[in-house]
Amino acid sequence: KNQVEQSPQSLIILEGKNCTLQCNYTVSPFSNLRWYKQDTGRGPVSLTIMTFSENTKSNGRYTATLDADTKQSSLHITASQLSDSASYICVVSAKNYGQNFVFGPGTRLSVLP
Amino acid sequence: SAVISQKPSRDICQRGTSLTIQCQVDSQVTMMFWYRQQPGQSLTLIATANQGSEATYESGFVIDKFPISRPNLTFSTLTVSNMSPEDSSIYLCSVEDFLTGEQYFGPGTRLTVT
Repeated sequence: KNQVEQSPQSLIILEGKNCTLQCNYTVSPFSNLRWYKQDTGRGPVSLTIMTFSENTKSNGRYTATLDADTKQSSLHITASQLSDSASYICVVSAKNYGQNFVFGPGTRLSVLP
Repeated sequence: SAVISQKPSRDICQRGTSLTIQCQVDSQVTMMFWYRQQPGQSLTLIATANQGSEATYESGFVIDKFPISRPNLTFSTLTVSNMSPEDSSIYLCSVEDFLTGEQYFGPGTRLTVT
């Protein structure tokens, strides 16, 4: 069964600290993996998209890694800001799969002053 | 990039009534997607809407409950019919740029059924 799991479910950190969010997937075949940020009451916004051949991709203070062999990805946030408080969703795109996108449950990050 | 707007942004409806949600995109797109996000949950795809053809529904979603219209390449509507409290969710419209693979989401419509 195609699944995407994320950990932790929620995370609280202090402003300025770094954090790493995890994503494990069993989606096969694999097309690409995406990380989205979803602010409360808003639609998800894309942070990174990685294909099979990419190991790392950065977008400002956000750096995503992908290990296609172990089917794991991480999202590292550097020097966190209050505006980073949001849900972070890992999404895997499967070829030849009806839904095309398999969504993880998300990690709820709270950055405190 | 694509800019997507949705109307209404939120609504409170009575059980048994229907609500039509509108989705407008600032560029022409072939495929539009409708998602549901129940409280505290991630997104679940309801259906894929292609212009000029019937929408394709995912398992667990049927046309009688969620009729979709796609009259042109920039607009779509999703109707939530005969609503019950279990339909209380955020409903999101989405499009995909097939050249870049980027997926863009609307701001969502927060529906509460009482």
